[in-house]
Amino acid sequence: DGGITQSPKYLFRKEGQNVTLSCEQNLNHDAMYWYRQDPGQGLRLIYYSQIVNDFQKGDIAEGYSVSREKKESFPLTVTSAQKNPTAFYLCATRQGGSTGELFFGEGSRLTVL
Amino acid sequence: GDSVTQMEGPVTLSEEAFLTINCTYTATGYPSLFWYVQYPGEGLQLLLKATKADDKGSNKGFEATYRKETTSFHLEKGSVQVSDSAVYFCALSDAVAGNMLTFGGGTRLMVKP
Repeated sequence: DGGITQSPKYLFRKEGQNVTLSCEQNLNHDAMYWYRQDPGQGLRLIYYSQIVNDFQKGDIAEGYSVSREKKESFPLTVTSAQKNPTAFYLCATRQGGSTGELFFGEGSRLTVL
Repeated sequence: GDSVTQMEGPVTLSEEAFLTINCTYTATGYPSLFWYVQYPGEGLQLLLKATKADDKGSNKGFEATYRKETTSFHLEKGSVQVSDSAVYFCALSDAVAGNMLTFGGGTRLMVKP
């Protein structure tokens, strides 16, 4: 099936631990994005990548890191420096161009115990 | 910078009622406009889009018309169903702003039988 796969769907973490959320796509899209969603809130952009081996910070990048070594993969690491990491994390891809919509994965819910 | 403003929710309707969710935007250029829907615990799905003024996007009984003169993209449906209960996000993509998507805060719709 074509699409975006995020894993794990649910993740529990102790304070002080780093965790990595996976995002894999087989849509052959150049651009990939990570968003954070808090309960009852909209989406906030964490990081994005327009091309392999390149990425840019979004609005709330502090405490997060990413890599883009392959076109298909854009993992997000939530580090211990992120003060309030409990949230719903959404990965998205895009084919590019101003008319291109985002395609979203099913999301990963991270809870810090 | 670009911005999207949606009516605050929750919007609570009875089944078969008429739905309007207001969305207005501010953009530097000539954006493309989108409505996304998010069902509980899931990622966002594109509901409809419009790429130029006076275009009407439609899908699953939902419609929205790109109104440049009022900078609006209101979502409408003539007869809602319980299954339409979800959170709806208005968004824009502006080439002048580097094609980044800007999201509104989301509007929760609750439809009662």
